Amino acid sequence: GDSVTQTEGLVTLTEGLPVMLNCTYQTIYSNPFLFWYVQHLNESPRLLLKSFTDNKRTEHQGFHATLHKSSSSFHLQKSSAQLSDSALYYCALSDRGTGSKLSFGKGAKLTVSP
Amino acid sequence: AQTIHQWPVAEIKAVGSPLSLGCTIKGKSSPNLYWYWQATGGTLQQLFYSITVGQVESVVQLNLSASRPKDDQFILSTEKLLLSHSGFYLCAWSPDWASAETLYFGSGTRLTVL
Repeated sequence: GDSVTQTEGLVTLTEGLPVMLNCTYQTIYSNPFLFWYVQHLNESPRLLLKSFTDNKRTEHQGFHATLHKSSSSFHLQKSSAQLSDSALYYCALSDRGTGSKLSFGKGAKLTVSP
Repeated sequence: AQTIHQWPVAEIKAVGSPLSLGCTIKGKSSPNLYWYWQATGGTLQQLFYSITVGQVESVVQLNLSASRPKDDQFILSTEKLLLSHSGFYLCAWSPDWASAETLYFGSGTRLTVL
């Protein structure tokens, strides 16, 4: 079945440093949809980025990611971390072949300190 | 604009007792509806999804059941709670079955089973 492997556990950064959260996936489908969801403390997850186009950079709120089908990757990046970026980040894969099933990675808790 | 309302906000229940959680989506006809479960510190696990009234598909067996009695309503229930049912339950909707699965989450129900 589909699976997502992402940077897990705790990621601690100092404000101003770059953010890089890795995400790789496995799927039998040639046209997967990849997502990054963000969940701030005591809130529900919300969509941060999504992409289905190979080698095209997608950006939102200072974050960006590029889907690379050749390496099955969709890494999340930001040039300069802010305190407000502290949150849980989930990479997810849409299995369009079997309909509505979104496979989430285990999540990474990003903590940005001053 | 679409709104999603989940109830209750939190529950503390005894092992072996019944449970019913609900969510209602307003402003969108025939949404795709989902139940997700998040253990403390864990990832998002899809439990059920529904694309139409009366039709619910189970993704993971956790001794829970779901029903969609109305187009805008999704219910999660069990007759006998287990300790392992504790966690954060999220209802979500997406606008389109065929396109990229952008999920919009409700505010969640925090369940503690004692």
